[in-house]
Amino acid sequence: GAVVSQHPSRVICKSGTSVKIECRSLDFQATTMFWYRQFPKQSLMLMATSNEGSKATYEQGVEKDKFLINHASLTLSTLTVTSAHPEDSSFYICSALYVGPYNEWQFFGPGTRLTVL
Amino acid sequence: AQTVTQSQPEMSVQEAETVTLSCTYDTSESDYYLFWYKQPPSRQMILVIRQEAYKQQNATENRFSVNFQKAAKSFSLKISDSQLGDAAMYFCAYRSQLTGTASKLTFGTGTRLQVML
Repeated sequence: GAVVSQHPSRVICKSGTSVKIECRSLDFQATTMFWYRQFPKQSLMLMATSNEGSKATYEQGVEKDKFLINHASLTLSTLTVTSAHPEDSSFYICSALYVGPYNEWQFFGPGTRLTVL
Repeated sequence: AQTVTQSQPEMSVQEAETVTLSCTYDTSESDYYLFWYKQPPSRQMILVIRQEAYKQQNATENRFSVNFQKAAKSFSLKISDSQLGDAAMYFCAYRSQLTGTASKLTFGTGTRLQVML
């Protein structure tokens, strides 16, 4: 399957600082990427859909100004958690949409564990 | 909105035995995709199997097979000849085929599978 990377894999930051997480599709171009959040022992919750060259589409209840998404190229989307607080501590997972001639597939990154002190 | 329900928070199976994980969903759509994803301790999401709703034949992938009952909105996963490496969280997911849904996935709450020696 296709490879999606995330960087960093773990980050610890102080409350009030901003953190940027990168999601890259390594061997295919992705006009659409997705950002999920996963709390311990819970499911993946979609935060937003990242669209190359246009604004992201956020799910209901997700603060756009807090979770900034930039999809500046066909292989890179970034999620910036601004003014992070301890309640933002979570596991963040991205996925990239591979569009084939007959089907579409979402390939997931390995995730980023964010801890806000 | 679609919902996906996994009623078994935890399951266990003896090595080499067979186990079935349950999933039900609610939708008013007639065309959609259903997936089973595996999330091992590494947290990397791995696609196990996929089913198109318009296909009556149940999907199979080696030791993994599904029982898709469209009228009952049920989509169970059967793992045969269970192996230690099958131990993981398993998530059932739904994807609409409607235009404008941007291939978003809706996940169930997950089932933790333990494989016993």
